[in-house]
Amino acid sequence: GESVGLHLPTLSVQEGDNSIINCAYSNSASDYFIWYKQESGKGPQFIIDIRSNMDKRQGQRVTVLLNKTVKHLSLQIAATQPGDSAVYFCAEIPGNTGKLIFGQGTTLQVKP
Amino acid sequence: ETGVTQTPRHLVMGMTNKKSLKCEQHLGHNAMYWYKQSAKKPLELMFVYNFKEQTENNSVPSRFSPECPNSSHLFLHLHTLQPEDSALYLCASSQTGQAYRGEKLFFGSGTQLSVL
Repeated sequence: GESVGLHLPTLSVQEGDNSIINCAYSNSASDYFIWYKQESGKGPQFIIDIRSNMDKRQGQRVTVLLNKTVKHLSLQIAATQPGDSAVYFCAEIPGNTGKLIFGQGTTLQVKP
Repeated sequence: ETGVTQTPRHLVMGMTNKKSLKCEQHLGHNAMYWYKQSAKKPLELMFVYNFKEQTENNSVPSRFSPECPNSSHLFLHLHTLQPEDSALYLCASSQTGQAYRGEKLFFGSGTQLSVL
């Protein structure tokens, strides 16, 4: 079956360090991937996306890496700040269904 | 603010009650969604409306009844719910419902529902 998962439910980092949040997906037909951030008491918010014809995409302080060989997606956050504390979800869209599938989420805790 | 407003923020109801969740979007979008977010589980899509027409019902029990009177408003009517229905219910909107084309979903803050 299809599944999108994250390797670790919780990640704790020191303020100022870089964070890496990982996600594994199982559907080789997936060709579009998205990272969402959900802060406490709020709904998920789009962070960055990447299509399968790319290996890397950079935003402001965030980078998404896609390794299609091992079906792995990661989100890198540079110079992590307290405001980055949230739950991070990856999501995939298989090209054959066009339907968004969410992963389970990793909680990022930033220590001052 | 995301432009998607949900009310109420919190709701406690008994299993015999009837209540409704409301969602309003001010983004000019034509697609609206209901998602269920339970602890330790991924977001589950419940319903999709596109230009006021329901285009997806993800095998949701009939005790959940959606209504979309226009492209800006979406309701979820609840009746005879079960305790396992307790969850965060999220509303979202997008331009035309084509996430695979790179359309972004904009979420509201959700209604935290507790069924006693």
